[in-house]
Amino acid sequence: GAVVSQHPSRVICKSGTSVKIECRSLDFQATTMFWYRQFPKQSLMLMATSNEGSKATYEQGVEKDKFLINHASLTLSTLTVTSAHPEDSSFYICSARDLRRIREKLFFGSGTQLSVL
Amino acid sequence: GESVGLHLPTLSVQEGDNSIINCAYSNSASDYFIWYKQESGKGPQFIIDIRSNMDKRQGQRVTVLLNKTVKHLSLQIAATQPGDSAVYFCAEIWDSGNTPLVFGKGTRLSVIA
Repeated sequence: GAVVSQHPSRVICKSGTSVKIECRSLDFQATTMFWYRQFPKQSLMLMATSNEGSKATYEQGVEKDKFLINHASLTLSTLTVTSAHPEDSSFYICSARDLRRIREKLFFGSGTQLSVL
Repeated sequence: GESVGLHLPTLSVQEGDNSIINCAYSNSASDYFIWYKQESGKGPQFIIDIRSNMDKRQGQRVTVLLNKTVKHLSLQIAATQPGDSAVYFCAEIWDSGNTPLVFGKGTRLSVIA
């Protein structure tokens, strides 16, 4: 079964609204989670690294005020797309690492398809 | 055959044939490499991994080859099936640090029945 749960799987919203995406590690604690964005027919691009109890680290070109990340607990990170616009429409995927494992320790959520009208 | 589209290159193979998907990675410090399969609208699915102290690893119907000299990875799928049709990504990471996974550009595998 899934060890990283991501919700919602799909969201359609109007331009200007904010959308929150949740990423939960189900049976392990994740001090660090990663958020990726994927445009159609492209690879996954890292947006930010979410750190429990501290500020997220954003990749170059990713607006921190636009994409708010909160990692308030060891099992939950949230990504809020603020004042969403059509160009924010994309597939957002979170990832978490189970440090107890030696292999196969990186797990991905099922992704969130965001469509901004 | 293989063709390069606007974004993802596509590899078309006949059902039952072997597939070879190639990937160039970027960071010489990366010490852990993973191949993922991604179907439309879903998150990446782990296929096989390899550490930098190895040059080959075999799984069920899949083999990963690592050439550190030229920073090249390949994924070989034996007896390709229609269910193998998906986008395949290689990913690299410096596992010793808690750094994020970096994905390659991806290849779309299309299996012709």
